[in-house]
Amino acid sequence: KQEVTQIPAALSVPEGENLVLNCSFTDSAIYNLQWFRQDPGKGLTSLLLIQSSQREQTSGRLNASLDKSSGRSTLYIAASQPGDSATYLCAVISGNTPLVFGKGTRLSVIA
Amino acid sequence: EAGVTQSPTHLIKTRGQQATLRCSPISGHTSVYWYQQALGLGLQFLLWYDEGEERNRGNFPPRFSGRQFPNYSSELNVNALELEDSALYLCASSLGLSFSYTFGSGTRLTVV
Repeated sequence: KQEVTQIPAALSVPEGENLVLNCSFTDSAIYNLQWFRQDPGKGLTSLLLIQSSQREQTSGRLNASLDKSSGRSTLYIAASQPGDSATYLCAVISGNTPLVFGKGTRLSVIA
Repeated sequence: EAGVTQSPTHLIKTRGQQATLRCSPISGHTSVYWYQQALGLGLQFLLWYDEGEERNRGNFPPRFSGRQFPNYSSELNVNALELEDSALYLCASSLGLSFSYTFGSGTRLTVV
């Protein structure tokens, strides 16, 4: 059974800092990994999708890497802004099971 | 392009009643997924429909059921509501299992 863990559970940083969020998964036979952002009480916004054959994806100030063999992914956020404050969720697809989510990292960027 | 739409936004039901939640996927998407997000818990997979068929279900009791219509829209039914069913229910759609998922804004179900 696939399990996804995200560390840290919460993170508070001053505006302008670069930061890294970590995600690990137990079954390395994944199809892809997707990072999402969730604002309080809202739905999920897709940030980046990494196919199993890819090593990284970039979108603006966001960069996600994937090391499938070790079961790890990182989300790098450059020059953080208060508007980046949200919960960041990592999720993977493997076998015949739709996205399995970690519990998320709650990020606060202080102005 | 319209995103994934869910209705209603909020729903208040009494314990023991039935709730019906609806989801319209992005045009062209044939797969629809339902997730439950209870307070303080992570997103839990409920059901996956594709081409009108139930393809997989998560570890939830049979009183959680649903269906997918010929136009690929879907509804989730929860029978015999319990207080712990209170949660945000999220619907997502995709072109297929291994493609990018797009989520709706959710239905907040409160059971009193």
